[in-house]
Amino acid sequence: ETGVTQSPTHLIKTRGQQVTLRCSSQSGHNTVSWYQQALGQGPQFIFQYYREEENGRGNFPPRFSGLQFPNYSSELNVNALELDDSALYLCASSWTSGEETQYFGPGTRLLVL
Amino acid sequence: GQNIDQPTEMTATEGAIVQINCTYQTSGFNGLFWYQQHAGEAPTFLSYNVLDGLEEKGRFSSFLSRSKGYSYLLLKELQMKDSASYLCATMDSNYQLIWGAGTKLIIKP
Repeated sequence: ETGVTQSPTHLIKTRGQQVTLRCSSQSGHNTVSWYQQALGQGPQFIFQYYREEENGRGNFPPRFSGLQFPNYSSELNVNALELDDSALYLCASSWTSGEETQYFGPGTRLLVL
Repeated sequence: GQNIDQPTEMTATEGAIVQINCTYQTSGFNGLFWYQQHAGEAPTFLSYNVLDGLEEKGRFSSFLSRSKGYSYLLLKELQMKDSASYLCATMDSNYQLIWGAGTKLIIKP
């Protein structure tokens, strides 16, 4: 186990709704990255937070937003859900300016109907 | 642009050796990672290469050639539990990971 936890594990929403996914980083890690992984694809980078500031963003629309808290836990918020948002959402924590390896949580599987 | 290529699927026999190749073109380079992902689970870290050469870790080895934009993951003494997808990812100049689509490895008895 990596020490990275995510909640919930599974979620079903309908189109147009909003969702908040949560991630608790591995102890000592100050950076969290969020990814979307569609079935049969590699993870797609959504954004990264370092010490509570956004530190890079992938090609995702503004309805994907995030937060990192002082204890380095994190949230991913998605507004106005679309059917194509159905995917596995992964968070990964790491220690920037040191060991750069990212350690993944178990993921949240989101289904949008 | 940024691009990572790896075979979609490979098949190998239990007890054998398999090599999974990865070629990449990225803006900036801060290392190459290999992750293993079983169906429905999160990726787990296997290896990290930032310098040219071979890194060996038990049954798994990873090789990097930066001049060729090429890496491979070598799996020896294959076991049925090695059936999984193997993801190649590079870390760019912003220390963000760019992922390949993964290679699904099927192990047959």
